[in-house]
Amino acid sequence: EVQLVESGGGLVQPGGSLRLSCAASGFTFSSYWMNWVRQAPGKGLEWVANIKEDGSDTFYVDSVKGRFTISRDNAKNSLYLQMNSLRAEDTAVYYCARIMGGGEDYLDYWGQGTLVTVSS
Amino acid sequence: DIQMTQSPSTLSASVGDRVTITCRASQSISTWLAWYQLKPGKAPKLLIYKASSLQRGVPSRFSGSGSGTEFTLTISSLEPDDFATYYCQQYRTFGQGTKVEIK
Repeated sequence: EVQLVESGGGLVQPGGSLRLSCAASGFTFSSYWMNWVRQAPGKGLEWVANIKEDGSDTFYVDSVKGRFTISRDNAKNSLYLQMNSLRAEDTAVYYCARIMGGGEDYLDYWGQGTLVTVSS
Repeated sequence: DIQMTQSPSTLSASVGDRVTITCRASQSISTWLAWYQLKPGKAPKLLIYKASSLQRGVPSRFSGSGSGTEFTLTISSLEPDDFATYYCQQYRTFGQGTKVEIK
């Protein structure tokens, strides 16, 4: 069974840093692109970043470029999101999600999310 | 960037109703569209991909249609478990969501 479990969320002050983790199991992690998607309180879904199977390519939404870094450790079946210079508008539930294989660019499995609150 | 516009933003319905949600793209996206279901505290769920393909394990009361710029998600007979918020997605862009609530 495919499982994605996020951790690392919490309360952080503006300007602070946080590192989110996503533990993957039930599939060959190193064979899939992975994503972070967020949902701010009362708002819709927003794609944040994704990373190629081997970590060689990464992409970000403009609002987090230069502040967030997505990475992965295929030996540990883990995905990460390092978030620096956090702002109030980064407050959201952060989900990790797998891109369906076979050339289909859809998010077929998601975790339950971890809440990040940026506030003084 | 392609914009995705969903309607309605909220939909009140009863168990057994047929429900239709629309998603419009600002330019043609062929059939590159997915639908997701979100419930508070739960992992989002892929329902439909490639506009009309039912994801494995999703009940057949869910169906998707459309191509180009206009797409629909239909729930043929609403079940109690279906009260949730639904999002369309094209590549890295999501619609603003449609909340299906109890009438």
